[in-house]
Amino acid sequence: LAKTTQPISMDSYEGQEVNITCSHNNIATNDYITWYQQFPSQGPRFIIQGYKTKVTNEVASLFIPADRKSSTLSLPRVSLSDTAVYYCLVGDMGKGDSNYQLIWGAGTKLIIKP
Amino acid sequence: GAGVSQSPSNKVTEKGKDVELRCDPISGHTALYWYRQSLGQGLEFLIYFQGNSAPDKSGLPSDRFSAERTGGSVSTLTIQRTQQEDSAVYLCASSYTSFGRINYGYTFGSGTRLTVV
Repeated sequence: LAKTTQPISMDSYEGQEVNITCSHNNIATNDYITWYQQFPSQGPRFIIQGYKTKVTNEVASLFIPADRKSSTLSLPRVSLSDTAVYYCLVGDMGKGDSNYQLIWGAGTKLIIKP
Repeated sequence: GAGVSQSPSNKVTEKGKDVELRCDPISGHTALYWYRQSLGQGLEFLIYFQGNSAPDKSGLPSDRFSAERTGGSVSTLTIQRTQQEDSAVYLCASSYTSFGRINYGYTFGSGTRLTVV
């Protein structure tokens, strides 16, 4: 299972774009990259998933360079409600059942200030 | 229901007592997972149920921990003779299937915060 490394914490201000980078040097060919968001007293919530290049949805964008050894979650124009912990996970989507055993790191604690 | 429901939301128990934590998954979800999260840490896998198959208990930290899932729906996680190191948030998640993308119907409950005093 690929190990991921993220910054422990980040601060930003309302209206700014926030980029959180995750390193995953030993990512395997079949691995996808998934980001989750967790608010206090809640379970994690899926944000976005990608394999290569760029993925965008209504919440965020995910940028993955050609070597796929890192990925960047981009949150446009953040608000106070984006204050949360963000987790980066890497797993082989084709292995199905094994994904529930993915290693969750401590994530990145993002604090948005007014 | 609309989401994964866990009860109680908070539980304070004395060391040595047994506790039961309940999870009501989304109706129709065949896969159910229990995780544990200590303060400021990521999630730690505990146990996984898929349909009528034997559960994967490989994540249970000791034989004091057990879980069952009745009728392919509600699940109960039991911790016997609780210890202070068992204090954590216990999260349940469910999904339509365990195959494919981990985001596929993978919905977490809000967890049960267990405090052992």
